[in-house]
Amino acid sequence: QKEVEQNSGPLSVPEGAIASLNCTYSDRGSQSFFWYRQYSGKSPELIMSIYSNGDKEDGRFTAQLNKASQYVSLLIRDSQPSDSATYLCAVNMNTGFQKLVFGTGTRLLVSP
Amino acid sequence: GAVVSQHPSWVICKSGTSVKIECRSLDFQATTMFWYRQFPKQSLMLMATSNEGSKATYEQGVEKDKFLINHASLTLSTLTVTSAHPEDSSFYICSARKVVSGGYEQYFGPGTRLTVT
Repeated sequence: QKEVEQNSGPLSVPEGAIASLNCTYSDRGSQSFFWYRQYSGKSPELIMSIYSNGDKEDGRFTAQLNKASQYVSLLIRDSQPSDSATYLCAVNMNTGFQKLVFGTGTRLLVSP
Repeated sequence: GAVVSQHPSWVICKSGTSVKIECRSLDFQATTMFWYRQFPKQSLMLMATSNEGSKATYEQGVEKDKFLINHASLTLSTLTVTSAHPEDSSFYICSARKVVSGGYEQYFGPGTRLTVT
């Protein structure tokens, strides 16, 4: 089992729809969870961090965390073509030095 | 948020030469920085963790004598690719860890595209 798993996609949604991106992780002791957006040819950009169970909203983005199910998701409301990118889930594993473990990313395509 | 810069943004060098890449945290202090490499259409690969004032910790399979890391201050880490070869051509991205309420957040620089001819 991979430490952080994401569906590679692509996930295709029409403009204005809600995009739902999912991630599962293996370490039950993990405490910190992050979503990054990476445009093609660019470096990752942090868009959301979440540390406790429940929802966290920031503009059109909502991160959801369920530690019991070891599941974290990102919802993008009113999706725009400019949201088309790869979304990386990252988990700060509760082991040793604390470094982020990244999923392989989900490619999101928002069509006009 | 937080700002991390990298220099240069791109570099072309000849095989056998060395290249130094700088990573700076501009508006926060970073005890810990990370160096990643990413090949086209592939995932981020962590190369090493850089700690201010101490030796870097390299991931398995990364040659520490080839990829020299120095973290001399709380805002600067450097990666030197020594005796570069065409297979070292890649996108090198640094990341700096910032202390925030609740823990840490990690911010990436814009990356350096290295081409070795």
